[in-house]
This record gives sequence, structure tokens and C-alpha cells, in this order.
Amino acid sequence: DTGVSQNPRHKITKRGQNVTFRCDPISEHNRLYWYRQTLGQGPEFLTYFQNEAQLEKSRLLSDRFSAERPKGSFSTLEIQRTEQGDSAMYLCASSSWTATSGNTIYFGEGSWLTVV
Amino acid sequence: AQTVTQSQPEMSVQEAETVTLSCTYDTSESNYYLFWYKQPPSRQMILVIRQEAYKQQNATENRFSVNFQKAAKSFSLKISDSQLGDTAMYFCAFMARGGTPLVFGKGTRLSVIA
Repeated sequence: DTGVSQNPRHKITKRGQNVTFRCDPISEHNRLYWYRQTLGQGPEFLTYFQNEAQLEKSRLLSDRFSAERPKGSFSTLEIQRTEQGDSAMYLCASSSWTATSGNTIYFGEGSWLTVV
Repeated sequence: AQTVTQSQPEMSVQEAETVTLSCTYDTSESNYYLFWYKQPPSRQMILVIRQEAYKQQNATENRFSVNFQKAAKSFSLKISDSQLGDTAMYFCAFMARGGTPLVFGKGTRLSVIA
């Protein structure tokens, strides 16, 4: 069990460019979550998957954001045409959810995005 | 929709003393989970403690314990024998029984002073 892994850890990009973040969850965790966190704030939910199915997307998630989880393993979060307001830390988390036992969510170290 | 409120943006405590962080929440759910997460300057969110709403007994994990008052919708975290390594942001979070995503409060910045 190596924990939740996120890459890259830091990304600086010019406004208007596309960026992609990758998340590798804890092995055999069926749920994977993406959150966004800005300085001094709590994490805000963006989207989550159960296996390969995307179960929910926040209204915060504009059309420029897309997430995938092919084959129910790793996930990618892509931001198209980045804006300065996208600068934040993007957190990935995973859990092993069952209807009877609930779940505890484990977080990765996050991917910092700076849009200049 | 659920909301989580942490009314103390910053707190400080002397090393070896006890401190309590407050959290209140609002929900119409009857079954749910509550969590405290710690986020040190390294930024990785670490689970501190978890409480299941149907359990009346307050959860404890070593120096960390909670005071869960379901009727008051209150979930405070007590840290005993505070250590310098406890310095971090602490987030209270709510999850409905169906496993919906965590809803976080805005956090409390705790500084432990030597």
C-alpha cells in the first residue's frame, strides 16, 4: 500500500494552456475523488468516481474541466484554456466504499497549479 | 445540502496543554460520519479521527478525542498533551451514510508554542 499518488506535484502554466493531472489511488480502492483547495480554505469537491463511472460533478466544475477514470484504476483531471482563477491545489483522494461499512477517504499530497 | 462550520480561524496552545477545536454542522440526514483531518505545512491531508453518528460513544485515538453531541450537531476535537508536531490546519468534515463526498469546514489553524 503506497498511498495515493499524484503527478505532477507542481505545475506552472501560461494562461490559455491545457494541463493534466494524474492520480493513482490506493490499490483496490473503488472510489476516487477530486477536490480543489485555495490558500486558507477547506477543500471543495469537484467530482468523484466509483470504479470507472463518474457519479457526480460539482457545479463548480466548468466545461473546461474534465475527469476520467478509465478501467477504474488511475484518474486524470484535465483543465483546458487555463485561467488565473484556476490556480489552486488539486487534491485526489480514494476510498474503499461498501454500503454496509461506509468508508474513510485517504488523500494524496496534491498537485499545485499556478497559472501565470 | 450539508454545511460544516468551524468558528475558530486560529488557535494557539502551549506545548503539553490541552486544546479543543469546535465544529458544528447542519444536515437533515440521520446516519452519517464525521471526521477531523489534519493538514500540516507539508500539505498532505491526514485523517485524525472518525465518528459514526449512530454510535453514542465518543471516538478516541491516543491523544485525540471528540465530543459528539448529535442533537446539538456539534463535533469538537480535543487534543491532549499538545506537541509541536500538532501544528497544522485542522478540518472538520461530514459524509452522509450513502458515501457522498466529504464536505469540509474552512479549517482552524492551530499553533503549538514551545
